[in-house]
Amino acid sequence: NAGVTQTPKFQVLKTGQSMTLQCAQDMNHEYMSWYRQDPGMGLRLIHYSVGAGITDQGEVPNGYNVSRSTTEDFPLRLLSAAPSQTSVYFCASRDDTEAFFGQGTRLTVV
Amino acid sequence: RKEVEQDPGPFNVPEGATVAFNCTYSNSASQSFFWYRQDCRKEPKLLMSVYSSGNEDGRFTAQLNRASQYISLLIRDSKLSDSATYLCVVIGSWGKLQFGAGTQVVVTP
Repeated sequence: NAGVTQTPKFQVLKTGQSMTLQCAQDMNHEYMSWYRQDPGMGLRLIHYSVGAGITDQGEVPNGYNVSRSTTEDFPLRLLSAAPSQTSVYFCASRDDTEAFFGQGTRLTVV
Repeated sequence: RKEVEQDPGPFNVPEGATVAFNCTYSNSASQSFFWYRQDCRKEPKLLMSVYSSGNEDGRFTAQLNRASQYISLLIRDSKLSDSATYLCVVIGSWGKLQFGAGTQVVVTP
């Protein structure tokens, strides 16, 4: 029972590099989302998806892209990393009763 | 104004004592409410859902007050292992999960 699998756990990028954070769930959830967590800020919604082929912006979408080609996968792309994107990122999927989170990605942009 | 607001704390609680804290939400159409627990920036994990009539799970009691738009969490007989950040989570418009910034609880011996 894998739940939500998020990779990588740690990543260091140079300013201007691009990368993709992977997120996969095996619970057949329609709703998936990406958050970033910064000290004192709580979890802020970056992008979310209510089903395959449907995505929308959250609170802090700038600098990030997403796609949802399948129900299982919801990757987050950083197009050109900036130091302001240094954060802990969480992927989540949910049903009507509970949200499940990946283990998080600690990203540092230098 | 943030859609979900919490007192960040920390709430310093002697072991065995009771602690309670609230979370307010701004969207009156919100339908579902949860308390999550987060340890040391690990992934949040569900502590309990919050039902309209209030609910208990062992030493934890959650209440919902729709008129005043807040939910509460009460922890009785606090244990050292209860030290964590407690996140208020609301399902708002378009099914989006919205988080409070978290309330830190520190239980001391």
